[in-house]
Amino acid sequence: GAGVSQSPSNKVTEKGKDVELRCDPISGHTALYWYRQSLGQGLEFLIYFQGNSAPDKSGLPSDRFSAERTGGSVSTLTIQRTQQEDSAVYLCASSIRGGSFSYEQYFGPGTRLTVT
Amino acid sequence: AQRVTQPEKLLSVFKGAPVELKCNYSYSGSPELFWYVQYSRQRLQLLLRHISRESIKGFTADLNKGETSFHLKKPFAQEEDSAMYYCALSGTGTASKLTFGTGTRLQVTL
Repeated sequence: GAGVSQSPSNKVTEKGKDVELRCDPISGHTALYWYRQSLGQGLEFLIYFQGNSAPDKSGLPSDRFSAERTGGSVSTLTIQRTQQEDSAVYLCASSIRGGSFSYEQYFGPGTRLTVT
Repeated sequence: AQRVTQPEKLLSVFKGAPVELKCNYSYSGSPELFWYVQYSRQRLQLLLRHISRESIKGFTADLNKGETSFHLKKPFAQEEDSAMYYCALSGTGTASKLTFGTGTRLQVTL
């Protein structure tokens, strides 16, 4: 079946502009995660959605970052007033559910964001 | 705070040689440990997890709580093992969010 999809695959933006990154999880997966991979860094957790529960935003680096998940499916990560340090690959993952037991996370291909 | 350390950025071995990718972690509770792999031009995917205690593609990893390590091993490396390997940790009650290491690139040469 179809895996996690992300769009766009590449995004180049000017410093100070806002960007939106989209994630379509696997159908039926209730848990959705956003991670970021900066050059030379490991993957860094950003935000987690589980069903209708309030999202876990503990990984968002600043208030310029926000995310929403509409209808329990598609998610959008928004970065306002982009800075050069926001340049990274943004990865989305979904799992059948989240919680205390770690279900396998399936990753999308990522969006490479470059802020000039 | 939880942390995962992969000390080697690059590990180069000959085909048929043993492989050991190192991973150390710090976490105060009982973690779940994973190895993820990313082959060239492919997505990040789960290779194995410690609770499964299984061998995938000839790879095994044992959780050593005393040494806080979860090293990935394979007795005989194959060319197709060349990839980026990430060790990851999920803590108790952390809703499955993963803390990743910085990754080790395994290069298997003839």
